[in-house]
Amino acid sequence: AQKVTQAQTEISVVEKEDVTLDCVYETRDTTYYLFWYKQPPSGELVFLIRRNSFDEQNEISGRYSWNFQKSTSSFNFTITASQVVDSAVYFCALSEGGAQKLVFGQGTRLTINP
Amino acid sequence: DAGVTQSPTHLIKTRGQQVTLRCSPISGHKSVSWYQQVLGQGPQFIFQYYEKEERGRGNFPDRFSARQFPNYSSELNVNALLLGDSALYLCASSLSTWVRGINTEAFFGQGTRLTVV
Repeated sequence: AQKVTQAQTEISVVEKEDVTLDCVYETRDTTYYLFWYKQPPSGELVFLIRRNSFDEQNEISGRYSWNFQKSTSSFNFTITASQVVDSAVYFCALSEGGAQKLVFGQGTRLTINP
Repeated sequence: DAGVTQSPTHLIKTRGQQVTLRCSPISGHKSVSWYQQVLGQGPQFIFQYYEKEERGRGNFPDRFSARQFPNYSSELNVNALLLGDSALYLCASSLSTWVRGINTEAFFGQGTRLTVV
């Protein structure tokens, strides 16, 4: 069975601090995809990144970086020099094989204080 | 280009009533999925449609049904509404299920917030 766990329910930091959001997943498939989405108060889920199970290279996009470790089944997300606009709920999600079905974690509410 | 559009944005219904939610995917996208997001939780998969056929169904009762039209827009119907059906209903569109062996990412609309009283 698929499962995604985001153990941090809420995180609050001061602007310009670095913050890491944890994601641990469970799957029996060898082919799977991992995603991060951002959900601002408007409700729309904004796609941030997709990573397949065969690519363990870390990725950096501006202030965002992702660390994928199959050995620990983790796909963590780091925001460097956080800004108030980063405040949102962040979801990690998993999709197995050829399915479009996304299994989401419970989400982490990130608050960046000025 | 327009993103995924959903209507209505908000809806209040009474227990026992029926509701229809609508979704227009991004132009060129042929796959539409529906998710239910209860307050404080992550979205839960309800249905996926591709080329007007159901390709996946989540663990939801038969009161939930959906369909996809020739223009790839979609409707989600919920019958005999319960208080527990109150949630944000999200529609996601994607180009396809797979494109050259790559699971394509889903783009979400802003959702329909359904309140059942």
